[in-house]
Amino acid sequence: DTGVSQNPRHKITKRGQNVTFRCDPISEHNRLYWYRQTLGQGPEFLTYFQNEAQLEKSRLLSDRFSAERPKGSFSTLEIQRTEQGDSAMYLCASSSEMQGPRTDTQYFGPGTRLTVL
Amino acid sequence: DQQVKQNSPSLSVQEGRISILNCDYTNSMFDYFLWYKKYPAEGPTFLISISSIKDKNEDGRFTVFLNKSAKHLSLHIVPSQPGDSAVYFCAASNTGNQFYFGTGTSLTVIP
Repeated sequence: DTGVSQNPRHKITKRGQNVTFRCDPISEHNRLYWYRQTLGQGPEFLTYFQNEAQLEKSRLLSDRFSAERPKGSFSTLEIQRTEQGDSAMYLCASSSEMQGPRTDTQYFGPGTRLTVL
Repeated sequence: DQQVKQNSPSLSVQEGRISILNCDYTNSMFDYFLWYKKYPAEGPTFLISISSIKDKNEDGRFTVFLNKSAKHLSLHIVPSQPGDSAVYFCAASNTGNQFYFGTGTSLTVIP
């Protein structure tokens, strides 16, 4: 078990460019979450997948953001037409449904730090 | 609207003493609470959790207390060790799908 991995770890882009991040969850975990964390704040929920189905989306997830989990394994988060306000750490977490919704323990990846110039 | 609040941004404690980290929440529907520890350049690591049917959960040096009437939870670390120095986040959920995190408390354990 190698834990949750995220790529790239760092991304610097110019305003207006599109970026895509990848998350590989723990292999037996069917739940996957994306969070955004800015300086001095805790992680803010963006979206949640159970298997390949995207079941919840935060209001923070504007129409420039899209997330997919096509085969119920890895997930991608794409940000189109990036803005300076998108600069943040993007965290992915996974958990197992077997634990049950009231005992869910999320395992986080190291995050992708996005800087928009 | 911050539904989970950690009002102390930082805390310093002498090695061997007790560390008490506090967390308040506003949503009475929250029924599951967690504490995470975060080191620089790493993602948060799960520490301990508690469901609303309990008022205390203990795991080694870590104990979480839940006061539902006050909408308050706390994490006690006894005895504190220098390796405990990190940022601690509390989190809460009412559906099991969406988790709300506090802003974190930076704990420094002084040798």
